[in-house]
Amino acid sequence: DVKVTQSSRYLVKRTGEKVFLECVQDMDHENMFWYRQDPGLGLRLIYFSYDVKMKEKGDIPEGYSVSREKKERFSLILESASTNQTSMYLCASSYSDRPNYGYTFGSGTRLTVV
Amino acid sequence: RKEVEQDPGPFNVPEGATVAFNCTYSNSASQSFFWYRQDCRKEPKLLMSVYSSGNEDGRFTAQLNRASQYISLLIRDSKLSDSATYLCVVNPRYSGAGSYQLTFGKGTKLSVIP
Repeated sequence: DVKVTQSSRYLVKRTGEKVFLECVQDMDHENMFWYRQDPGLGLRLIYFSYDVKMKEKGDIPEGYSVSREKKERFSLILESASTNQTSMYLCASSYSDRPNYGYTFGSGTRLTVV
Repeated sequence: RKEVEQDPGPFNVPEGATVAFNCTYSNSASQSFFWYRQDCRKEPKLLMSVYSSGNEDGRFTAQLNRASQYISLLIRDSKLSDSATYLCVVNPRYSGAGSYQLTFGKGTKLSVIP
């Protein structure tokens, strides 16, 4: 089974802190994604990467950055956390050439910024 | 028109009932279609892919109508454990560099009542 592992299930951070969310996948997937999910808004794409050191902005990249130094790891960085970044963050990964396989998600990180 | 549109529900049905969800998508060039299931406070998980000829997996049947650009999911003999949010997912766009992206509907909430 593909495993996508997110480093923390729950995080509480203070406003202004720099926050790192880590995601690791073990199936040699080329693509990796970061989403946030809020009630009534569904899944919203923050950033994605289709190769090492490559990144592309999603629909809501403001206030976030990402890093992909190794194929298996994709990090989301909140440069200066704010209360409106309180959310569930979901990492996903997929093959680049097998669109019928869909995405596999990590179990999510519930971030609270106080 | 939103890219992927679903009735948010909730659908409250008794055990044993048959329930159907519909979803419409806006991009006629879309190639891959899925239903994901998301339990409360958990990550989305792939329930089934949707093929042009329709497909069945036990109590679940998925249909695709390309002409009308809609996808359906039928659940027969509902169980309490089917209570979840069901996400309609479409691959509407090709982001280049051998990659692709999925677009997620906001989900339809199902509650199966004893």
